[in-house]
Amino acid sequence: DVKVTQSSRYLVKRTGEKVFLECVQDMDHENMFWYRQDPGLGLRLIYFSYDVKMKEKGDIPEGYSVSREKKERFSLILESASTNQTSMYLCASSYGTSGSGWFTDTQYFGPGTRLTVL
Amino acid sequence: QQQVKQSPQSLIVQKGGISIINCAYENTAFDYFPWYQQFPGKGPALLIAIRPDVSEKKEGRFTISFNKSAKQFSLHIMDSQPGDSATYFCAASYHDKIIFGKGTRLHILP
Repeated sequence: DVKVTQSSRYLVKRTGEKVFLECVQDMDHENMFWYRQDPGLGLRLIYFSYDVKMKEKGDIPEGYSVSREKKERFSLILESASTNQTSMYLCASSYGTSGSGWFTDTQYFGPGTRLTVL
Repeated sequence: QQQVKQSPQSLIVQKGGISIINCAYENTAFDYFPWYQQFPGKGPALLIAIRPDVSEKKEGRFTISFNKSAKQFSLHIMDSQPGDSATYFCAASYHDKIIFGKGTRLHILP
């Protein structure tokens, strides 16, 4: 079974803090993704990575950065947390079949981290 | 051009009934249409997906109907069960883009 784990299920931080969300997958997937999920807005892509040290912006990258130093690990960084970043953060991974595109394979999601910024 | 409109927002169906969730897209470049199921406290999981070269795909009680000319696709859950109560997301994607619908909260009455 594919397993995607996220470092915390719940996190409470203060405005202005630097926040690290960690994600690890155990299936040697090429692609990894970070989404945020908000009620009534669905899932929105923040950043994704298709290889170690490679990253691409998604639809809402402002206020976030990412790091992928190892294939199995993808980190989301909030440089200076703000209250509007209170949300559920979901990590996902997928195989990187050559030529199929980054988004045309099954994505396997972690359980999510619910972040509250006070 | 990049929206995926999902309806309804919430749905209540009697046990044994048919649940139908609809999605519409605008960008004809989309070529992969997955449906994800999410239970409370869990991440979404792929339920079923379709590519535009077929008009229907069935897996057990779950069927995707795809209408390329209308740019619409729908999820049908036959013989709906209380265990199907969850939030369902449609999505549309192509090589370097994915857009999710806003989700439908489905409740199956026992």
